[in-house]
Amino acid sequence: DAGITQSPRYKITETGRQVTLMCHQTWSHSYMFWYRQDLGHGLRLIYYSAAADITDKGEVPDGYVVSRSKTENFPLTLESATRSQTSVYFCASIGLHYEQYFGPGTRLTVT
Amino acid sequence: GQQVMQIPQYQHVQEGEDFTTYCNSSTTLSNIQWYKQRPGGHPVFLIQLVKSGEVKKQKRLTFQFGEAKKNSSLHITATQTTDVGTYFCAENRDDKIIFGKGTRLHILP
Repeated sequence: DAGITQSPRYKITETGRQVTLMCHQTWSHSYMFWYRQDLGHGLRLIYYSAAADITDKGEVPDGYVVSRSKTENFPLTLESATRSQTSVYFCASIGLHYEQYFGPGTRLTVT
Repeated sequence: GQQVMQIPQYQHVQEGEDFTTYCNSSTTLSNIQWYKQRPGGHPVFLIQLVKSGEVKKQKRLTFQFGEAKKNSSLHITATQTTDVGTYFCAENRDDKIIFGKGTRLHILP
């Protein structure tokens, strides 16, 4: 039971580059989420998706783009990475009783 | 926007001592969830409380939801080194889960 997987686990990129973080879940959960986690800020919601082809902004969406062409995949793209986007990114989905399941995270460094 | 406030931000306890973290809201909460994140790991769901005054236990962990549904607490009895990590409360509202900033627990051996 793979659950939620994220790739890459670690990424270093330069300012201005485009980078895509991948998220895949094997449960067919409808809802999926992207969070960023920074010291002192906890977990902040970037984007979420209620189903394939339905996405919505969260608390901190600027500079990010998402898509959801298939239920199981929810990629997050930084169109032009900035240093302020250095963070740990978590993908998550919601189970039957609204409990949230998190992926292992992607640690992104923008130089 | 809606936010749940958690206190304290950090807590150091001697192994064997008890620990409590609190979650407060200025508005009535629909529900409250608790998660644990080990250092270097990802958040893991612990429990959800829905009813006013609800109390649930998981071994040494006791979770409470206030009568007015504006606060919640997580109490750990006789902490162990395996309890190290950050504990988050969160509310599921409008199909989004909004997290508090967490309480980081350090255990002194």
